[in-house]
Amino acid sequence: AQSVTQLDSQVPVFEEAPVELRCNYSSSVSVYLFWYVQYPNQGLQLLLKYLSGSTLVKGINGFEAEFNKSQTSFHLRKPSVHISDTAEYFCAVRGYQGGSEKLVFGKGTKLTVNP
Amino acid sequence: GAGVSQSPSNKVTEKGKDVELRCDPISGHTALYWYRQSLGQGLEFLIYFQGNSAPDKSGLPSDRFSAERTGGSVSTLTIQRTQQEDSAVYLCASNPFGSYTEAFFGQGTRLTVV
Repeated sequence: AQSVTQLDSQVPVFEEAPVELRCNYSSSVSVYLFWYVQYPNQGLQLLLKYLSGSTLVKGINGFEAEFNKSQTSFHLRKPSVHISDTAEYFCAVRGYQGGSEKLVFGKGTKLTVNP
Repeated sequence: GAGVSQSPSNKVTEKGKDVELRCDPISGHTALYWYRQSLGQGLEFLIYFQGNSAPDKSGLPSDRFSAERTGGSVSTLTIQRTQQEDSAVYLCASNPFGSYTEAFFGQGTRLTVV
């Protein structure tokens, strides 16, 4: 069964520092990968997605992620974070398995950007 | 509507009572998901509807949980004999046909069982 592991539950960083939020997935089939963000007291919105093609994917708010098939990873990066990036970030995978294409999420990484 | 709509936004219920949570997906979206979000647990998959196919119910935690989707549109998640551990935010999402498309989320229903 497909699954997603987000290795860090909390990541504190200072403003303007770079950040990497790690995500590993397991799936025996071709997958589509997503990063969602949830700002405090708000719903989930899509940051970026990997479907095929270039392994480096750019999203909103200066975020990017790199798909690495051999390491089954899809880490999210930003070269310089802002206070407004404080939020919870979720990695998700969808792959066709057992007649279902359900979208499975990791447990999330809470990013806190400090001044 | 413009987005996924969930109602009610908040629900407080007594232990042992049944509750129904409603989700109105984006018009034309063939896939619909229910998730449960608890503190520190991320988004726990509950159930997935895709068109006319049999739903994937593999995430429902017990037989007290059930969901249906009428006419390929509105969905209702029912929790019978609620327990305190059912307290969580229940999220609904929908996406257009195609596994390459992203899911769009509603604002959720915050369920509190007292």
